[in-house]
Amino acid sequence: DAMVIQNPRYQVTQFGKPVTLSCSQTLNHNVMYWYQQKSSQAPKLLFHYYDKDFNNEADTPDNFQSRRPNTSFCFLDIRSPGLGDAAMYLCATRMGVSRDRETQYFGPGTRLLVL
Amino acid sequence: KQEVTQIPAALSVPEGENLVLNCSFTDSAIYNLQWFRQDPGKGLTSLLLIQSSQREQTSGRLNASLDKSSGRSTLYIAASQPGDSATYLCAPLEDSSYKLIFGSGTRLLVRP
Repeated sequence: DAMVIQNPRYQVTQFGKPVTLSCSQTLNHNVMYWYQQKSSQAPKLLFHYYDKDFNNEADTPDNFQSRRPNTSFCFLDIRSPGLGDAAMYLCATRMGVSRDRETQYFGPGTRLLVL
Repeated sequence: KQEVTQIPAALSVPEGENLVLNCSFTDSAIYNLQWFRQDPGKGLTSLLLIQSSQREQTSGRLNASLDKSSGRSTLYIAASQPGDSATYLCAPLEDSSYKLIFGSGTRLLVRP
């Protein structure tokens, strides 16, 4: 059973056209993360939520925004996608209670193509 | 700043071989370390989590060790199979930031 769900799996957008990627979880976890992963590179953390508290990485471009309307859902908004934003976007969750023993779970990812 | 290095970057072995993937990290202040598997174009699947107080964890043919003081972890795969072909990533969880810091991975090919 899917625990971290990402929609759509593939997204094609035009240069400069806003796009929203969706993530939902059935785990009732407190923490949700968004990562960007480019080909053959390590996943790069963009931001995360601990419950409703938003934590942005210092080097995340302003072009990237996020919303978490409730525990289950988290969205990644790219306001004006550029060609360099084409990547796999990964959502992940963690319970956020017992730091040393918690597994972080990832969704299947959304591959974004910018034309 | 935590930096994670994985060696080798790529590895090709014949089916049945035992193999070791290496991970090193620069800051030993971690809560745990996770090993993940990533198939091409897919998300990450957690394989093993080792708490900072543990030395190793086992799951089936996989065994992961952790030497926190020296900043090293290894993933041992016994009797490799073609289905093990994937990229393997290690990620320590920083205790200062509560973030996973990823290495670039080892791309494994197991030849039939």
